[in-house]
Amino acid sequence: DTAVSQTPKYLVTQMGNDKSIKCEQNLGHDTMYWYKQDSKKFLKIMFSYNNKELIINETVPNRFSPKSPDKAHLNLHINSLELGDSAVYFCASSQTGPNQPQHFGDGTRLSIL
Amino acid sequence: AQSVTQLDSQVPVFEEAPVELRCNYSSSVSVYLFWYVQYPNQGLQLLLKYLSGSTLVKGINGFEAEFNKSQTSFHLRKPSVHISDTAEYFCAVSDTGGSYIPTFGRGTSLIVHP
Repeated sequence: DTAVSQTPKYLVTQMGNDKSIKCEQNLGHDTMYWYKQDSKKFLKIMFSYNNKELIINETVPNRFSPKSPDKAHLNLHINSLELGDSAVYFCASSQTGPNQPQHFGDGTRLSIL
Repeated sequence: AQSVTQLDSQVPVFEEAPVELRCNYSSSVSVYLFWYVQYPNQGLQLLLKYLSGSTLVKGINGFEAEFNKSQTSFHLRKPSVHISDTAEYFCAVSDTGGSYIPTFGRGTSLIVHP
């Protein structure tokens, strides 16, 4: 059973389009995250949700909007895609607490043409 | 706020040789420390973690790490690497009393040659 699953795995689209990435976890965790990994493998936190409430919103353009319909799901919608949005986006989940490790999905590779 | 420095962006090594991947952190309070591994086209997986107690921590796939508070380090070691250990390795730190969002290092690419 996949613990944290993201769809789609690959997303190729044109500048200006709107796209969504879905994430689901079956671990019973109450905290979920979105990360962006650039071409140099640098991992940057974008958002964190705890029990469906937004906890962390780093300096991310307003074009990115997370939505958490329930504790097990955290989706990411991106408006007006730009070339600089090309990256791998990872969803992760954990129990709440600084001593809790994170569990990552396999990523969504977004390519903007 | 905490920070993490992974001193080597790339570490090439021959199969069956020992390896050490270095990680140093900075924090004004006590920390929890983690090492994650990312295989090609996959997400990060937890290798091991230090929460408290013994400073030598053993993880999966024969890896271990030692927490050194005086040197603020948490280096990852393996006595004999395999080709399959080729991957990106990330060190992460979180404050014991602060945000539960860990700070990740920039990663070290371990390349194992036959």
